[in-house]
Amino acid sequence: EVQLVESGGGLVKPGGSLRLSCAASGFTFSSYSMNWVRQAPGKGLEWVSSISSSSSYIYYADSVKGRFTISRDNAKNSLYLQMNSLRAEDTAVYYCARVSPRIRDFDYWGQGTLVTVSS
Amino acid sequence: DIQMTQSPSSLSASVGDRVTITCRASQGIRNDLGWYQQKPGKAPKRLIYAASSLQSGVPSRFSGSGSGTEFTLTISSLQPEDFATYYCLQHNSYHLTFGGGTKVEIK
Repeated sequence: EVQLVESGGGLVKPGGSLRLSCAASGFTFSSYSMNWVRQAPGKGLEWVSSISSSSSYIYYADSVKGRFTISRDNAKNSLYLQMNSLRAEDTAVYYCARVSPRIRDFDYWGQGTLVTVSS
Repeated sequence: DIQMTQSPSSLSASVGDRVTITCRASQGIRNDLGWYQQKPGKAPKRLIYAASSLQSGVPSRFSGSGSGTEFTLTISSLQPEDFATYYCLQHNSYHLTFGGGTKVEIK
C-alpha cells in the first residue's frame, strides 16, 4: 500500500525557517517524481514545487522561488522541503504528492502537515 | 503560467441531481487535466485523469470530458457522500496549476 507521511510542520515566526519531510513507503520511491502542494486555511490548492526521480529536474512556484528548496534522499525514501524567510502567507497545510509516471498528475497524496507563520 | 478558471465556485444541489463543473485553461493543454475531490480535513483524492479516464475504485456516476481548453466534470446522480470540494489540475506545463475549486453543498 502506498503511504506518504508528512512531518515537520509547526509554528514559526516570520523570517524563520522550517524543514518538512515526507516519508514514502509501499512503492519504489526512487522511480517517481514528487511534489509539494499547499493549502492555506479555507483556500484552494496551490502547487509549490516538484522534483524528478533523480533530482535532475526541479521546479518552483514563483511565490516560493528563492526561499524554498525541495530535495530528496532516495536511500531513505524521503522527500524534503526546506522553507526559509517564511511569511504569514506561507501559512498552510503542506501535502506531498506522488506523480503518476504515465499520466504525470498526482495519484497519491499524504495527509498533510500544518505550517503556521505568526509572531 | 497556465491559468485554470473553474466554475461555479460553489453550488447547492439535492441528492439525485446531475451536477456539472467546468474548468477552462488559458491555453491549450491537450488532455493533461485531472479532477480531484477533497473533503474537510482530508487530502485530495483523484477522481479522473487524462481528462476523461475514471480512477480505479471511483463510482461510475463521475465522468470527465473535454480537451484543449475546456473541460467538464459531471456527477450524474449526486449522492450524500459526494458533498465536497472539487478541483481541476492541469499538468501540461512544468508549473502545474489548480482551478479555484467548486464547493458542492446540500440544498
